[in-house]
Amino acid sequence: AQTVTQSQPEMSVQEAETVTLSCTYDTSENNYYLFWYKQPPSRQMILVIRQEAYKQQNATENRFSVNFQKAAKSFSLKISDSQLGDTAMYFCAFMKETGAQKLVFGQGTRLTINP
Amino acid sequence: NAGVMQNPRHLVRRRGQEARLRCSPMKGHSHVYWYRQLPEEGLKFMVYLQKENIIDESGMPKERFSAEFPKEGPSILRIQQVVRGDSAAYFCASSRARQGVADTQYFGPGTRLTVL
Repeated sequence: AQTVTQSQPEMSVQEAETVTLSCTYDTSENNYYLFWYKQPPSRQMILVIRQEAYKQQNATENRFSVNFQKAAKSFSLKISDSQLGDTAMYFCAFMKETGAQKLVFGQGTRLTINP
Repeated sequence: NAGVMQNPRHLVRRRGQEARLRCSPMKGHSHVYWYRQLPEEGLKFMVYLQKENIIDESGMPKERFSAEFPKEGPSILRIQQVVRGDSAAYFCASSRARQGVADTQYFGPGTRLTVL
């Protein structure tokens, strides 16, 4: 079974700083997808970024980028020029490429951006 | 382009009552997933459905919980004889994946169930 671990329960940075959230996972699969979802106080789950395991290039979406290290089974999220609206819970998630299409989530990191 | 819709957003039930949670997937999506989030925890998979078919219910409790996705209408997650431990946020997600091939799941706003 796959597991996802987020070792930082809480983080706090000043506005405009850069912050990196950690995620590690365990799987015997070779092909899979990794995701970061954001859950602001409204509790809506919002997709931030997606990475296909077969791609060597790290995914980027505006101020959000990932550092995907397949051999180390590590998938960290970097937020540049952080904004107050980035305050939220961030969840790392894993999904196999074929077969069971369920997302396996980590425990989450509560990120606070301070003015 | 409407996203995933869930209703009600908040539901209060007394112990022993039934709870019905509804989910309408995004336009063009035919796959629906239900997840449960207990307070201060991540989401846990419950069930994966296509129209008129349950694909994977490995995360759903064997008793009191059932799910359906009829040919017409929304997907329904039904909890019979609710207990306090059922209090949680229930999220629905949808994707346009072909069966057996993964695709990104987009989430609805969730239904917060409170059992008194």
